[in-house]
Amino acid sequence: DSGVTQTPKHLITATGQRVTLRCSPRSGDLSVYWYQQSLDQGLQFLIQYYNGEERAKGNILERFSAQQFPDLHSELNLSSLELGDSALYFCASSVGRAGGQETQYFGPGTRLLVL
Amino acid sequence: GNSVTQMEGPVTLSEEAFLTINCTYTATGYPSLFWYVQYPGEGLQLLLKATKADDKGSNKGFEATYRKETTSFHLEKGSVQVSDSAVYFCALSREGKLIFGQGTELSVKP
Repeated sequence: DSGVTQTPKHLITATGQRVTLRCSPRSGDLSVYWYQQSLDQGLQFLIQYYNGEERAKGNILERFSAQQFPDLHSELNLSSLELGDSALYFCASSVGRAGGQETQYFGPGTRLLVL
Repeated sequence: GNSVTQMEGPVTLSEEAFLTINCTYTATGYPSLFWYVQYPGEGLQLLLKATKADDKGSNKGFEATYRKETTSFHLEKGSVQVSDSAVYFCALSREGKLIFGQGTELSVKP
C-alpha cells in the first residue's frame, strides 16, 4: 500500500458525459501528479500540482482539467467524454516539487470505461 | 526529446531462470532512472532507482546499473519466482514528470 488513495476504483459512463476522479496523496506529500495509461498510448503524464498550484503540464486535453485543494487532495475532471478516453488513470504523489531525484508513489488507479 | 525504450514482451521464463529486461533512454543531461512494477489489477510500485551515473539500484533481488556511456538501465534478477510475474516499466524523470517505456510483461512458469 503506497498511501495514495483514489476513488472511485471503476467508472462506467457514456460519451459526452463528465466525470470527476479523486486522489488523496500520502501524508506529508505536497505534489500530486496525474497519469493516463491506455493500450495505444502507454503511460502518459497529464499534469502536476504542487501545494495547490499547477507546476507542470503534459499531454492533457483541453477537455480535461485538474485542481489541488487546500487539504492537498486533487481532482481530475474529464468532460465531453469520448470512447478514446477509456483508460486507467493514476494519481501519484511526492514530497516536494519533484526535482529529478524524487520518488513518485502511485495510487491503485481509476479504471474509466466510456461507452 | 526525452524517451525510454524497453525490450518488447512478453517474456516467459521458468522459475529460477535469470532475467534481463533491457532499457535504454534518450535525454538531455543526467536524469534519474527508475524501474516500476505493476502486478495484475494493481497500481505501479517503485522497484528501484538510480540518480547518477554508475549508481546501482537494488531491491528484492532485482538490480539495475545506470550506464551513462550506453544510456542504459537494464533490469536483472538472478533467479525469478512465479510471484515476479508482472509488467515492468522503465522510466526517467525530467522536469518533475516521469517518462515511461512501453512496459515489458514477464510471465514466470513453475
